[in-house]
Amino acid sequence: DSGVTQTPKHLITATGQRVTLRCSPRSGDLSVYWYQQSLDQGLQFLIHYYNGEERAKGNILERFSAQQFPDLHSELNLSSLELGDSALYFCASSVTGAGETQYFGPGTRLLVL
Amino acid sequence: KNEVEQSPQNLTAQEGEFITINCSYSVGISALHWLQQHPGGGIVSLFMLSSGKKKHGRLIATINIQEKHSSLHITASHPRDSAVYICAVFKAAGNKLTFGGGTRVLVKP
Repeated sequence: DSGVTQTPKHLITATGQRVTLRCSPRSGDLSVYWYQQSLDQGLQFLIHYYNGEERAKGNILERFSAQQFPDLHSELNLSSLELGDSALYFCASSVTGAGETQYFGPGTRLLVL
Repeated sequence: KNEVEQSPQNLTAQEGEFITINCSYSVGISALHWLQQHPGGGIVSLFMLSSGKKKHGRLIATINIQEKHSSLHITASHPRDSAVYICAVFKAAGNKLTFGGGTRVLVKP
């Protein structure tokens, strides 16, 4: 158990819908990262938050947004969902974010039908 | 060409065999992560390296910064080592990970 929690574990929804994925980092970690793992693209970095502020963006679509709240939990919002958004979404946390070990949550498996 | 390349893509070994997975990268990095993804999907961080060698149990990771290459070795492999092993790098002065495509390892009893 990494200490990082993600909810829900599984999500099935329809195209065009909007969903919110939630992540709670390890106690004491200030950085949260979001990653997408699809069958054809592998693992890809989406976005990094540090202590409530966005620090880096990767291949995150405009339909996707994220935020980190004062209690340091983070939410990833996916809207206007398409079939191709079906993937495993992981969050990870680290103490500060300066190129250090990241601890991964169990992931949320999203299926868009 | 991907910035992080792993080889082989798939590997099958008999229990007890020595396994080596390779990772080459084409960018300057500040550190390299080896991750293990279990069949259920969960990801575990195995090592983070910026130089030299690290060992944890039957796992050994090495990195050669000049050659831009890292290896992950599994000694006395066991069926429970069956997983996907993923190499990921922090680009120099960056704080986001760039991932290799993974190596799927199957250890047969």
